Order: sequence, then structure tokens, then C-alpha cells
Amino acid sequence: DTAVSQTPKYLVTQMGNDKSIKCEQNLGHDTMYWYKQDSKKFLKIMFSYNNKELIINETVPNRFSPKSPDKAHLNLHINSLELGDSAVYFCASSKLKRLAGGWETQYFGPGTRLLVL
Amino acid sequence: SQELEQSPQSLIVQEGKNLTINCTSSKTLYGLYWYKQKYGEGLIFLMMLQKGGEEKSHEKITAKLDEKKQQSSLHITASQPSHAGIYLCGADNNDMRFGAGTRLTVKP
Repeated sequence: DTAVSQTPKYLVTQMGNDKSIKCEQNLGHDTMYWYKQDSKKFLKIMFSYNNKELIINETVPNRFSPKSPDKAHLNLHINSLELGDSAVYFCASSKLKRLAGGWETQYFGPGTRLLVL
Repeated sequence: SQELEQSPQSLIVQEGKNLTINCTSSKTLYGLYWYKQKYGEGLIFLMMLQKGGEEKSHEKITAKLDEKKQQSSLHITASQPSHAGIYLCGADNNDMRFGAGTRLTVKP
């Protein structure tokens, strides 16, 4: 009974390709997130969706596009992959909106390890 | 799968006081990370522990991994308002898992 699942777990691809990472949560949460973890273990929030509405869009390249077909899914599509996109990407969900200046308990997926060659 | 439980969920302390946050794992920890989130920012990596009995310090923050490698504690000495935020433990046993976080408030 995985609460937040991501696929694939590992993704190795060539520079310039387009790829997608899928995320699903079965917790009935309203908000889902995408984070990027860099080599220094810093987790940077990329996107947040609340009830299919984008509520946070940090300064990420527009090659990254989140897609949420319903509130249980938030997929991340990446166009024209670059070497610097290599990282671990984490999906998370929370019951409530991520409040400004606050934090609602977030449940993380296992991560997708992306390697761009 | 590995589960991480953090305690307490929230903590309010007076400036200058010491405090401890705990992270307990349902399985042996092979890599335990502590992160901090300042309000409105991303998670900042604090330190990583791998060996049983290991202890690391950064400024006034000390983290320990117990000998059995199933529990880690984060201790802050003489807390300051700048320490306020969310502290999150994470474990990497092939799959990365995170605790639910501890919200720390430091009152001046």
C-alpha cells in the first residue's frame, strides 16, 4: 500500500530527449509537489498543484511542465533534457495547501533518479 | 518499506533553551539525513550520518545516530530565532524516505 508512488525509479537517457516521470498518491490529498534534489542533497521545490491548479511555480526552466490529470496524479514532463537535469526528483503530497510561510505534513515518494548522458 | 517517525511534531521553546528532535526508523538506517526548511524556502541539507554511534555537529546543531542505527536525534544548544523552521529526517535505503517533520518555533 504505497501512499505516494513514482515511476520510473531510475531513468537514464540521452541529452535532448523528452521524458516524463509519473506520480500517484492514494491518500486522498489535495496538494501534490515536485522537488529536485541536487548533488548537495538540497531539496528544491519545483511545482505544487492543489486540486489541479498550479499554486507554486518556482523559477524552473520552461522545459519542465507539470501535468495533473486529476488530484491523485501529478506528472512531470521534461523537454530537451540537459546534463544539468541529472538529479533525484521527488514527488510529495499533503492534505492541505502549502501555506505561505508554513508547511503542511508532506508525504514523499521514493524518488526518481534521472541521469542524462 | 522503511518508515520514519519524528517526534515531537511541533516544538515551542524560549530563546536560549536546548532542545532535541528524534527520528526513529522501523528498519536499520544506512544513511540518515537531516534537513531544515526555513519558512517559504526549500529544504536545506544539514548533515548525514552513516555509522552507528556517529555524531556530527554544525554550529550549535548536533546529530547522532545510535549504535543500533535505528534512531537519530538532533540537538540544538542555546536555541535562537534563526533556528526556527521545519526539521526533516530522511533515510536512503535504496528508496528515499522522509519523516513527517518537526515544526520548531523559538520565542525571543
